[in-house]
Amino acid sequence: EVQLVESGGGLVQPGRSLRLSCAASGFTFDDYAMHWVRQAPGKGLEWVSGISWNSGSIGYADSVKGRFTISRDNAKNSLYLQMNSLRAEDTALYYCAKDSEQLAGRGWIDYWGQGTLVTVSS
Amino acid sequence: NFMLTQPHSVSESPGKTVTISCTRSSGSIASNYVQWYQQRPGSAPTTVIYEDNQRPSGVPDRFSGSIDSSSNSASLTISGLKTEDEADYYCQSYDSSNRGVFGGGTKLTVL
Repeated sequence: EVQLVESGGGLVQPGRSLRLSCAASGFTFDDYAMHWVRQAPGKGLEWVSGISWNSGSIGYADSVKGRFTISRDNAKNSLYLQMNSLRAEDTALYYCAKDSEQLAGRGWIDYWGQGTLVTVSS
Repeated sequence: NFMLTQPHSVSESPGKTVTISCTRSSGSIASNYVQWYQQRPGSAPTTVIYEDNQRPSGVPDRFSGSIDSSSNSASLTISGLKTEDEADYYCQSYDSSNRGVFGGGTKLTVL
């Protein structure tokens, strides 16, 4: 059974940093691209970032480019999102999501985690 | 980059058929596959359609997807509506740089 378990969310002040983690199990992690997708309270889904199976291809939404960094550790079956210079508008539930293919953008999201909540407020 | 525009809400009665549209603002809808995700209140999204018209295993054949180049849009059709279909539905595609693009979501009410 595929499981994606996010952690690392919490309350953080504007301008500070936070690192999200996603522990993956139930599939061969290094065979697939991965994504972060977020959802602000009461709002729709927003794609944040994607990373290919070998970290060779990475993409970011314009809204987070230059502030967020996605990475993965295939030896630990883990996905990460380093979030710097956080803003109030980054407040959201952050989902870790598995792609059906090795390269992000070539497949579709077939599994989602339950999300971790990030609240940016003073 | 492009946007995907969906109606904010649709409603229909149980047993009926409903269609949700997703219009691409620029570039061809056929350029990149379209996916559809269902999100019930308080739950993570799940995939109901991928690659324009494919159903993941476990998704009933009441759900179908299509694209229409003339209107530059994708559509999700749900037939034989059930109360359990009441949810938010999001279309999604990728741009030429492989960045994800989601539609704004459509709230389906089955009344």
